[in-house]
Order: sequence, then structure tokens, then C-alpha cells
Amino acid sequence: SYVLTQPPSVSVAPGKTARITCGGNNIGSKSVHWYQQKPGQAPVVVIYDDSDRPSGIPERFSGSNSGNTATLTISRVEAGDEADYHCQVWDTSDHYVFGTGTKVTVL
Amino acid sequence: EVQLVESGGGLVQPGGSLRLSCTASGFTFSRNAMSWVRQAPGKGLEWVSSISGSGGTTYYADSVMGHYADSVKGRFTISRDNSKNTLFVQMNSLRAEDTAVYYCAKNLATGGDDIFDIWGQGTMVTVSS
Repeated sequence: SYVLTQPPSVSVAPGKTARITCGGNNIGSKSVHWYQQKPGQAPVVVIYDDSDRPSGIPERFSGSNSGNTATLTISRVEAGDEADYHCQVWDTSDHYVFGTGTKVTVL
Repeated sequence: EVQLVESGGGLVQPGGSLRLSCTASGFTFSRNAMSWVRQAPGKGLEWVSSISGSGGTTYYADSVMGHYADSVKGRFTISRDNSKNTLFVQMNSLRAEDTAVYYCAKNLATGGDDIFDIWGQGTMVTVSS
């Protein structure tokens, strides 16, 4: 089965940059999507197809994907960015695969 | 407004059954594939099943975090009633490991593949004696 590995937690000071990684075998060959999930709420797409932003998502959110690692970058972090972030890909065997999730804490 | 509203969750004993529903509004339901995604308490998201817009094609998770014994395949059945804009999942032979919030999600085809662009608020399923 295809496995996506994320760090359990990332801490960042307001105004700084947070980088959340998503590791998978040759993930660079897949399209990676990122979801933000605030406590008690349903997930929301913040990045799709590696680096595209849905309408309404701030430009502070960006994504990249190469080799065995995809990265979600949040620039100029705000208190409201505190949430869990999940990466997701499509795999021909396992269909939709989610990462283990990363909790972002704003210090 | 595009909206998904789940219902049918609750407490069920191990080995029991439950049927979840998801009522959609604000978009052409029959034109979109739909999915169920679950989240165990304190855990990450896990895809459960998807169904095409016509209902003719279904997909199920074959394993849970690499554990094939925990698969929902053969125990869960996804279906839809396009005349009522409603998605279902029939869950049989429930186990404690199936305890989770179950989300209904709308699939959206992108340049790469599908994303889950709209989610319901979730319904809690607890399997316990």
C-alpha cells in the first residue's frame, strides 16, 4: 500500500514561514492536494494539483512537489492558520490516500 | 449554497449495522462522484469509499493503514439515489475500529485527479458494547 508520511507537529511564530512536508515513494510523479482542518470542523482544500489554490485561499499558502517529498508552505503565518493539515494523493492501487496529518501550532 | 448534510450516526454494538445518509444541495448531484471519508478520534483522515455520478462504479478501501484485515470492502456498501440527491453507505459487521466521524464529500475533477472540494459536517459512529 502507498504510504504518505507527515511530521506530527510543526510550530511557528506569527509572521514567520511554516513548511509542512509529505513524504511518499516517488510522490513527485503524483498530484498532491492539501487540506486544512480546524478543530471540530470539516477539512477544506487549500492547495490542489501540487501548487494551485482554490478561490478564497490566501496567496500565503503555496505548494511544491518533487522527488519523494511534497511541501505545503504557509508564509506570514497568522493565528488563524493554526490547524491540522493533511496531504492526499490518488494511487492506482489504493485509490485515495491521505497523509498522517500535521498539527500546526502558532506560538 | 453548496451543502452536504450527513445523518444516521450513533452508537451501535460490535457486529451491528448502520446506514448513513448524506443529502446534497446547491449543485447538480448526479453529475458528481461522491465519497465517504472517516476520521477516528484523534487520528488522520481515511478514505472509505467512492461512487460515480451514475452510481455504476464504486470503489472501496482495501486496507486501513496497510492492514488488509481492517478493510471495509465486503462490509460497507456505498449507493446513491440521484432522484433524492442523497448518498448512502450501509455499514455491516461493524467493529470497534470503525468508530469515527464519517464525512460525506463531493469529488471534483482537477487537472491531476479528483479532490474532495465540498465536505459535510460529519456524523459520529461509535461501535461499542
